[in-house]
Amino acid sequence: DAGVIQSPRHEVTEMGQEVTLRCKPISGHDYLFWYRQTMMRGLELLIYFNNNVPIDDSGMPEDRFSAKMPNASFSTLKIQPSEPRDSAVYFCASSWTGTFSYEQYFGPGTRLTVT
Amino acid sequence: GNSVTQMEGPVTLSEEAFLTINCTYTATGYPSLFWYVQYPGEGLQLLLKATKADDKGSNKGFEATYRKETTSFHLEKGSVQVSDSAVYFCALSHRQGAQKLVFGQGTRLTINP
Repeated sequence: DAGVIQSPRHEVTEMGQEVTLRCKPISGHDYLFWYRQTMMRGLELLIYFNNNVPIDDSGMPEDRFSAKMPNASFSTLKIQPSEPRDSAVYFCASSWTGTFSYEQYFGPGTRLTVT
Repeated sequence: GNSVTQMEGPVTLSEEAFLTINCTYTATGYPSLFWYVQYPGEGLQLLLKATKADDKGSNKGFEATYRKETTSFHLEKGSVQVSDSAVYFCALSHRQGAQKLVFGQGTRLTINP
């Protein structure tokens, strides 16, 4: 079975540009999570969805960040305008309510560099 | 609130050495406990898990036992290999946490040949 799919794997952009990161969760999973990982701050939860509905976006750093999940198979994380401090690896993860333990499965990540 | 504290790294060992990475947690009730591994340039992979007290999770030669009395979930491996070099994260989930995972800060492990 395919795991969590993220695209692009690498993104280099200039400050001020719009960046869109994409995620396809594992089929059948009903939770989707967006994380950011940096050396300074470690792994941070940005936002998560349940059945395509945003549940908690308290980790979204600023209004420049937005996330959507138009259907069960697709989610986007958008940064507009991007800034150099947004440079990080962004991970998407998914999980299924049917598991008792709530383990999450992570995608390979998108490495974003903003110059 | 719920929290996870991991042994600080980095940890450097020689091949075939015994590995222990300590993890303790704070949570009410009975959380599920996990170890995730992140190899260079990759996402986090679930290594093993335990869902109730005294459960032992195991995978790829790694083991961890859910100790309710000491609120711990230490990761062990009897003989490490160079390919085990990675960052290891301890994490917990809790029904009251609405499927969110609480992660430790990660421990970087380097195995020298």
